[in-house]
Amino acid sequence: GAGVSQSPSNKVTEKGKDVELRCDPISGHTALYWYRQSLGQGLEFLIYFQGNSAPDKSGLPSDRFSAERTGGSVSTLTIQRTQQEDSAVYLCASSLGQYPEQFFGPGTRLTVL
Amino acid sequence: AQKVTQAQTEISVVEKEDVTLDCVYETRDTTYYLFWYKQPPSGELVFLIRRNSFDEQNEISGRYSWNFQKSTSSFNFTITASQVVDSAVYFCALSELPPYTGANSKLTFGKGITLSVRP
Repeated sequence: GAGVSQSPSNKVTEKGKDVELRCDPISGHTALYWYRQSLGQGLEFLIYFQGNSAPDKSGLPSDRFSAERTGGSVSTLTIQRTQQEDSAVYLCASSLGQYPEQFFGPGTRLTVL
Repeated sequence: AQKVTQAQTEISVVEKEDVTLDCVYETRDTTYYLFWYKQPPSGELVFLIRRNSFDEQNEISGRYSWNFQKSTSSFNFTITASQVVDSAVYFCALSELPPYTGANSKLTFGKGITLSVRP
């Protein structure tokens, strides 16, 4: 497919466990973004990648959250020692760089019990 | 700091009615981008339009039109002759104009407006 893909689509985990969320951006898109969507907070920016570098991590809510990107393509968002407040939909988006509009994946719905 | 306000939270209309979704923004940047995204029940955010801060021309695309007014910091979205398929959550968003190609264009979103179009 030509769009942004994310896996898994749903993840249920127990409090305290670690989770990894994956994003495959549109081929050739150099910029990659992670956002979080929750009922209380709306859509919030988490982190921005340009290539494999993350020059803006200002939205990561705590040091339990980290992300990496390899080969200028796939990105993984890792949440360690999950808490109930981490329950949300995690959205990944990519853009071509010369155009600022971002194209979003379907999201991963994370539920922490 | 940037802020986007969508004061309307839920709007319900009957099919074929026109509906306008309001968006007001705040930014200290002199150049910026504005966006509208649609999130249908399936959940995926769909890009609708981008405007540059230095281009205040209104735009029409089929049944959709956008009214950008810098003087009032508003970027409103009108759907003409609404259809049931227009039912979705609509988000207005703002980003700083990046200083170079590929620079950070992280989005600041409004809370979204839930539009329900009844047959």
